[in-house]
Amino acid sequence: NAGVTQTPKFQVLKTGQSMTLQCAQDMNHNSMYWYRQDPGMGLRLIYYSASEGTTDKGEVPNGYNVSRLNKREFSLRLESAAPSQTSVYFCAILWGELRGGYTFGSGTRLTVV
Amino acid sequence: DAKTTQPNSMESNEEEPVHLPCNHSTISGTDYIHWYRQLPSQGPEYVIHGLTSNVNNRMASLAIAEDRKSSTLILHRATLRDAAVYYCILRDGRDFGNEKLTFGTGTRLTIIP
Repeated sequence: NAGVTQTPKFQVLKTGQSMTLQCAQDMNHNSMYWYRQDPGMGLRLIYYSASEGTTDKGEVPNGYNVSRLNKREFSLRLESAAPSQTSVYFCAILWGELRGGYTFGSGTRLTVV
Repeated sequence: DAKTTQPNSMESNEEEPVHLPCNHSTISGTDYIHWYRQLPSQGPEYVIHGLTSNVNNRMASLAIAEDRKSSTLILHRATLRDAAVYYCILRDGRDFGNEKLTFGTGTRLTIIP
């Protein structure tokens, strides 16, 4: 997963706490994405950013906010964590623009108790 | 969104070829067929993608039906390291307005030594 770095790798939160998941790329691509993966399920898109300064909702945006302050970084924030947000979160970049593919980070495993 | 259908699981013997099928009967003319795989506790990894013609790379081959309503990912000589969940997804190559794609649950490939 070289090129897409996620921090932290693991996190345990109490219900109601807030936290920010960080994602950084070193490949100079425009599009970045946040997905979540629940046990035994596929990935669902939370938010994406087609370019610096722009963000759009995906399939499951409720309870999350994102920030794309520069081309390199795309953060995901949980303002008030809930047990339903226990999941593995993956950041991804799109290479090759419209006809390209995705490179994913190694993920953040989040548990909300 | 165009959907894909894959078998939940498949088994194959080590060092033999593996053919992983995917049906996408509602595919549009601008949808690219992508394949990713996910090893345990890792993020998804790009395998291959194509539009109409068959594609080959160092990891696999992608065979696309003439009517594009189905495709097959071919691993030419399976190894134990190929045991993973394989996802077939469609991505519209026209613009960024079709980012709400879903990975689904994929095919869990087991390699028998």
